[in-house]
Amino acid sequence: GAGVSQSPSNKVTEKGKDVELRCDPISGHTALYWYRQSLGQGLEFLIYFQGNSAPDKSGLPSDRFSAERTGGSVSTLTIQRTQQEDSAVYLCASSSTGTGGYNEQFFGPGTRLTVL
Amino acid sequence: GEDVEQSLFLSVREGDSSVINCTYTDSSSTYLYWYKQEPGAGLQLLTYIFSNMDMKQDQRLTVLLNKKDKHLSLRIADTQTGDSAIYFCAEREGGGNKLTFGTGTQLKVEL
Repeated sequence: GAGVSQSPSNKVTEKGKDVELRCDPISGHTALYWYRQSLGQGLEFLIYFQGNSAPDKSGLPSDRFSAERTGGSVSTLTIQRTQQEDSAVYLCASSSTGTGGYNEQFFGPGTRLTVL
Repeated sequence: GEDVEQSLFLSVREGDSSVINCTYTDSSSTYLYWYKQEPGAGLQLLTYIFSNMDMKQDQRLTVLLNKKDKHLSLRIADTQTGDSAIYFCAEREGGGNKLTFGTGTQLKVEL
């Protein structure tokens, strides 16, 4: 595709409900990243997928958060039993290389999650 | 762990130079980046610098890296209203791909 796409662009949910956020990376990109952007907090790393390797989940804030990447392409970030503090913009990025080079990450437009 | 810090706001007049500063803590950083986020849009890579460089210039942008002080700066010459955005610095940990971002500096360009 032309760029990284994310859906939905906006999601409003009630506290306690589960949500799924989707990311379609650039075709052929082997690496995929999820970040969370909260007001005044900058970007917080959540999880990183690289090819068929085990994902780096070191940034997930709690066990309510999980992500999977099917077929090395599309990724879904799931938040179970949402809390108000989960309200943020969730950004997905992809890159084409492993650890070599400057490895530009291309970002999607984000999903704005609001938990009421 | 890694920590990246930036001031939150900067206001300049159109035509002036803008300097956005960033400090980081990871001495094993391989690459350092500047990303730009315009309102309602995703992040876009502006420029990057490899850790063995002191300076990189790209048209109106100049990046300075002081490894000893772990200080990175972005200078935008002849700042225009279209430069108004949030600017994030980021460091890439040695041997990996994970980026640690700063909190972002909101640049406001006034006429």
